[in-house]
Amino acid sequence: GDSVTQMEGPVTLSEEAFLTINCTYTATGYPSLFWYVQYPGEGLQLLLKATKADDKGSNKGFEATYRKETTSFHLEKGSVQVSDSAVYFCALSDQGGGFKTIFGAGTRLFVKA
Amino acid sequence: SAVISQKPSRDICQRGTSLTIQCQVDSQVTMMFWYRQQPGQSLTLIATANQGSEATYESGFVIDKFPISRPNLTFSTLTVSNMSPEDSSIYLCSAWDTKNIQYFGAGTRLSVL
Repeated sequence: GDSVTQMEGPVTLSEEAFLTINCTYTATGYPSLFWYVQYPGEGLQLLLKATKADDKGSNKGFEATYRKETTSFHLEKGSVQVSDSAVYFCALSDQGGGFKTIFGAGTRLFVKA
Repeated sequence: SAVISQKPSRDICQRGTSLTIQCQVDSQVTMMFWYRQQPGQSLTLIATANQGSEATYESGFVIDKFPISRPNLTFSTLTVSNMSPEDSSIYLCSAWDTKNIQYFGAGTRLSVL
């Protein structure tokens, strides 16, 4: 079945450092890919998405590109802030499969001032 | 965008009892789902909440343990029945809007003693 693998955390960075969180997927169809963020004590929020190969999703300085050839959707940000400290989930959803979402394990990011 | 109100936000329950969690969306949505998130872990799909009919459960989840209702497009309930300490978790509802964006409630943090 479909699956998502993302790098384990926690990841600890200093403010203004470059962030990469790796995510790879396996899927039989043509899924949409997502990054969700979960701040402490809150539900998940959509950070960005890409619906087809070579699409780049971006939001709040974060970006990720749907790479079909490497089945990857790595999250990047050029300069992190303390307020970016959260748990980040990579996910896929095959809308032809009823909108069910499969999530990666989550990566906790700590950003130090 | 959609706002999902989920309640209660947390509860402490005795084993053998049941808890019903409510999820209300403030706008038109299509699909609604219930997830479980165990501490420090990713989200696992419990079931798809189908309007006016029985929910569709994922492997490992059964209706007798997790009865779900969805009487209209914007409201759903999940009951955790005959609880045991292993049911201690965060339960999240989600909904997809007509623009194919998925929103999550803030979650219900359940502790079973």
